[in-house]
Amino acid sequence: QITLKESGPTLVKPTQTLTLTCTFSGFSLSTSGVGVGWIRQPPGKALEWLALIYWDDDKRYSPSLKSRLTITKDSSKNQVVLTMTDMDPVDTGTYYCAHSVRARTDVWGKGTTVTVSS
Amino acid sequence: EIVMTQSPATLSVSPGERATLSCRASQSVSSNLAWYQQKPGQAPRLLIYGASTRATDIPPTFSGSGSGTEFTLTISSLQSEDFAVYYCHQYNNGYTFGQGTKLEIK
Repeated sequence: QITLKESGPTLVKPTQTLTLTCTFSGFSLSTSGVGVGWIRQPPGKALEWLALIYWDDDKRYSPSLKSRLTITKDSSKNQVVLTMTDMDPVDTGTYYCAHSVRARTDVWGKGTTVTVSS
Repeated sequence: EIVMTQSPATLSVSPGERATLSCRASQSVSSNLAWYQQKPGQAPRLLIYGASTRATDIPPTFSGSGSGTEFTLTISSLQSEDFAVYYCHQYNNGYTFGQGTKLEIK
């Protein structure tokens, strides 16, 4: 059974850097075709795709947020980390990590809520 | 970046009736299109991938069709648990979501 869980701060101040960790089980990020991605959702709004890292360390980013995002993996620890710099109140929302196979996203974590406020 | 446009924004349908949701891509995404269902306070759930393949444990009341730039999600006979927000998602060239369709009880 594939499971993913997001963790990180619930509150960050404007201009700070957000670091989120996705800890997963039930699959290996060393398996060909497998990836882990991040998606976010502002309160009451639509989903927004952020970033994805593949088993071979190929990394993909949202074009509009690329300059602020970094995604890394530690396959031995079954973890993927997303950092987002220069946080702003508009970045408030729920952040999800999700399992991906051959580019399609199938299993999601429950999400973690991040509020950006001074 | 490929833009995904869903219509309508809100769809009101009576239980037992059929619902048809649309998703249009700004350029071809081949069949690399998924549909998700999201209920309040929950993470999205994968319903359809490859435009028409149902995900594991998804009942046959859900069906997807289309290719290229025009896609449809059909729910053949609405149950109370089907009222939710539905998102389309392309993973052919980059990755983008539509803005969602809220399916509400009429």
